[in-house]
Parts: sequence; structure tokens; C-alpha cells
Amino acid sequence: AQRVTQPEKLLSVFKGAPVELKCNYSYSGSPELFWYVQYSRQRLQLLLRHISRESIKGFTADLNKGETSFHLKKPFAQEEDSAMYYCALVPGGGADGLTFGKGTHLIIQP
Amino acid sequence: DTAVSQTPKYLVTQMGNDKSIKCEQNLGHDTMYWYKQDSKKFLKIMFSYNNKELIINETVPNRFSPKSPDKAHLNLHINSLELGDSAVYFCASSQRGSDTQYFGPGTRLTVL
Repeated sequence: AQRVTQPEKLLSVFKGAPVELKCNYSYSGSPELFWYVQYSRQRLQLLLRHISRESIKGFTADLNKGETSFHLKKPFAQEEDSAMYYCALVPGGGADGLTFGKGTHLIIQP
Repeated sequence: DTAVSQTPKYLVTQMGNDKSIKCEQNLGHDTMYWYKQDSKKFLKIMFSYNNKELIINETVPNRFSPKSPDKAHLNLHINSLELGDSAVYFCASSQRGSDTQYFGPGTRLTVL
């Protein structure tokens, strides 16, 4: 069975500092990887997916198959980035739903 | 023009009751899901469903059952509610299983 690990439950950085939220996964095949964000009391929304290779709100994530990682990065944090961030995967071509990591609560201090 | 909607937004009920949460999507998607977010913010898939197949997470008690009257709706029925069922339940949909999922606003269920 697949697994997603986000080692940091809470990450606090100052505004303007770089941010890296870690995500590692285990899956024997080729998964689809995603980052979802949940702002306070709002619905989850997609931030990034690895196949699109685009930057959203200044965030990027690179899939490293060798290290089975999909870390989320932003060079300069902004206060509005404070939220819960979830890394998730779907088995390639599967309809099993997303397997989420336990989430990282990112707090950007002024 | 809400893409994925859920009702009710809040649900407070007594132990032992039976309740339903409704979900509708107007995106024309083929696959719908239910997720549970517990008090620690952990998110876990409960069900995924398209017209042909229902996939049930084996850890979900059989008191929970999804019902799909048509492709745009996937309702969640819960029998004999227990205290541990208190959580936020999110509905989601996607065009295909591996595509981006769009989430509803969540239903906060409190069992007293």
C-alpha cells in the first residue's frame, strides 16, 4: 500500500524567508503527486501537481524519484501563505482516491 | 456556480442517530469521493465511486454507506452514529481517478 510522509507537523518561518515543506512517499509504481492547501476553515484546493510542472503563488515542487520525494518550496514566504499543506498521491491511473500525508501547518510570522 | 457543494455545512446530532450528508458536483466529473478529516486534521479516503465501481477503504465501518442517485451526486449515509464519527467530511470529484480533485466546503459533524 502507498504511503505519504510529511515529517513536519508545524513549520514556522519569518516573512521573506525561504520555505521548504518536505514530503516523501512510498509506492511501487509511478504515482501522481499533488500538493493541496487548506486555508483556515476553507476547502482544500489544489496548489500543484507534478505533471504540470508549473509554479503557483510562487511555490514549486520537483518530483525526485530516486529519493521518492516531492518537497514544496518557495523562495520568499508571505503572510498569506499561512495554511495547512498536504502532500498527496494517487496510484497511476487509479481511482482509489488520494492518499494524504498528515499535513504541515505553515505559519508565516511578520 | 459552485463546483462541488455539500449540505449541511454543520450537523449536530445524538449518538445512535442516522444521518445523511449530500454532495453535488456540476463539473461533469465521472468520479466522486468522500474523505474524513479528524480532529488532528488527518485526511483519509473513505470511498471513491464512479458509474461502474465503488471502492471502499477497508477501515471504514459498514455503518457508512455512499448512495449515488446519479452521476452528479454522491450522498453519505451514516447509521448508528458514534462519538468517534465526529469529524469534518469532505466530498470531492475528478474527471478521472488520477486527475486533480475538486473539494466541497466540508460538513462538520458533531456527535454528542
